Amino acid sequence: EIVLTQSPATLSLSPGERATLSCRASQSVTRNYVAWYQQKPGQAPRLLIYGASSRATDIPDRFSGSGSGTDFTLTINRLEAEDFAVYYCQQYGPSPPLIFGGGTKVEI
Amino acid sequence: EVQLLESGGGLVQPGGSLRLSCAASGFKFSDYAMSWVRQAPGKGLEWVAGVHGPGEGLYAESVKGRFTISRDNSKSIMYLQLSSLGVEDTAIYYCAKDAVKLNGVWDPFDHWGQGTLVTVSS
Repeated sequence: EIVLTQSPATLSLSPGERATLSCRASQSVTRNYVAWYQQKPGQAPRLLIYGASSRATDIPDRFSGSGSGTDFTLTINRLEAEDFAVYYCQQYGPSPPLIFGGGTKVEI
Repeated sequence: EVQLLESGGGLVQPGGSLRLSCAASGFKFSDYAMSWVRQAPGKGLEWVAGVHGPGEGLYAESVKGRFTISRDNSKSIMYLQLSSLGVEDTAIYYCAKDAVKLNGVWDPFDHWGQGTLVTVSS
């Protein structure tokens, strides 16, 4: 079973800065089946990125995903106040379990 | 508009049982795999179980043999039967919809409900 390790656990930044979040898999992810979610306090997660680099519907282009194999990155350019949240990566694919990383909190 | 509405959460004693429901609307329910994802207080996300169209459920090891997922496509409702509950099962349980129509792949979740809280305590 794949393990996803996200780093850093917490990222302290200011509005306007760039956030770079890492997600490392313990083994290669099939067809780069990696998704990223954003979760704000008291809310359900929201899908941001799928297939490692494709933005989901209505997601602003300041969010971008990259990577392949075992190393994946979520980049948020020009942080806005609404972007401060917890971000999770997820491995999906042809067979469960569907694994989530431990999360990265982006805080002011 | 896609809507997912969970219900059935509450306080239950260790060893007890509970049935959660997820009522779906705004899409053709039978065309999509559905899952339950939970989040313990202050913790991360954990996929619990999923079910394709008419098929059998698949489970995380942590709940296998204790939880049962099912769906009623005629009513657009998904269920999760929880039994032999332990304190470690205390969490918000989210219902989540696959982003892509049934395609043999367990896809990311493009819609989530607001969750229902299950508290296991004596």
